[in-house]
Amino acid sequence: GENVEQHPSTLSVQEGDSAVIKCTYSDSASNYFPWYKQELGKGPQLIIDIRSNVGEKKDQRIAVTLNKTAKHFSLHITETQPEDSAVYFCAARNTGNQFYFGTGTSLTVIP
Amino acid sequence: EAGVAQSPRYKIIEKRQSVAFWCNPISGHATLYWYQQILGQGPKLLIQFQNNGVVDDSQLPKDRFSAERLKGVDSTLKIQPAKLEDSAVYLCASSYSSPGSGEQYFGPGTRLTVT
Repeated sequence: GENVEQHPSTLSVQEGDSAVIKCTYSDSASNYFPWYKQELGKGPQLIIDIRSNVGEKKDQRIAVTLNKTAKHFSLHITETQPEDSAVYFCAARNTGNQFYFGTGTSLTVIP
Repeated sequence: EAGVAQSPRYKIIEKRQSVAFWCNPISGHATLYWYQQILGQGPKLLIQFQNNGVVDDSQLPKDRFSAERLKGVDSTLKIQPAKLEDSAVYLCASSYSSPGSGEQYFGPGTRLTVT
């Protein structure tokens, strides 16, 4: 089955700096890659996603890039704010519509 | 549009007891997922339904876990008997089933503590 690896496990940045989280996947047939933000006591919330036919997608301060050849994708958050502090998960969806998640990155934005 | 609903939000039971969780997906979402999220880890898929049929339950510990989705809407996940290692957050998610509509939305989860 699919295996998704995520790095780093923890990340601290100063407010206003950028944060980058990287994921790799193993199944070349995976075709959809969402990113989720999870705050304490809540379920994961979809923040951005990218499909396999696209290399980059941006939504305000958040962007995601996908390299299908290398089988890795990354989340970029610019101009970080304290409210960006949370755990972020990447995921990959296979052709059977099953989702496989990374182990999470705990992001702390220091005011 | 209402989100995915789950209940209860919290449950504490003793080992060997049974417990059940309920999920109501977003209206019109044919695909429903149950995940187990152990503290400090990402969600792990337990079972996937398409309408009222099971698509994938390869990671469901079938000797103690069961799930059903009667009438293709609400779903229940049951654990009987519970073990200490079942302590986790149980997340329900739903999505449209048509190709290209892969967005998956999660409920708030049920936090289970087995003592």
